[in-house]
Amino acid sequence: QKEVEQNSGPLSVPEGAIASLNCTYSDRVSQSFFWYRQYSGKSPELIMSIYSNGDKEDGRFTAQLNKASQYVSLLIRDSQPSDSATYLCAVNSEWGAQKLVFGQGTRLTINP
Amino acid sequence: GAGVSQSPRYKVAKRGQDVALRCDPISGHVSLFWYQQALGQGPEFLTYFQNEAQLDKSGLPSDRFFAERPEGSVSTLKIQRTQQEDSAVYLCASSSGVQETQYFGPGTRLLVL
Repeated sequence: QKEVEQNSGPLSVPEGAIASLNCTYSDRVSQSFFWYRQYSGKSPELIMSIYSNGDKEDGRFTAQLNKASQYVSLLIRDSQPSDSATYLCAVNSEWGAQKLVFGQGTRLTINP
Repeated sequence: GAGVSQSPRYKVAKRGQDVALRCDPISGHVSLFWYQQALGQGPEFLTYFQNEAQLDKSGLPSDRFFAERPEGSVSTLKIQRTQQEDSAVYLCASSSGVQETQYFGPGTRLLVL
């Protein structure tokens, strides 16, 4: 079992709708959780970070964390064609350790 | 300010050739990371520096891979005797400290023929 799992997609969502991206992780002591966006041929760009259970909102983006279920999600409201990208879930898997463990990414396409 | 920069952006190497990839982190960032990203996959951790100290090299796939950061700023990832399976994008990231956000450079795309 991979440490961080995502549905690879592709996920296709109509413009203006809500896109929902999901991620599960295996290490119960994980502390920090991140969503990165990666456009084709570009480097990952941080979208959201979340550290405690519940929801965290930033503009059109909402991250949700449930440590009991070992589940983190990203909601994108009012999806735009420019949101089309691969979304990477990353987990800092050991307290005090620095490395990020990434999922394989979910490819999201927003259809005009 | 300036972000993380990497050079070269593209490198084509013949199998067996040695390559060196450079990373310039964000000024003042003490933590520096190298990741390898294969096509269609998420980045995979290679190694981590705090200042000049290499604190974690658990992700380096073989002893052909070597990284250094002698003055605690610029870092070089060296791959000796390259193999076709080394073909990937090599990403460098830096952060300002423990548990801080990692900012990624544009990556070096390595193709080994």
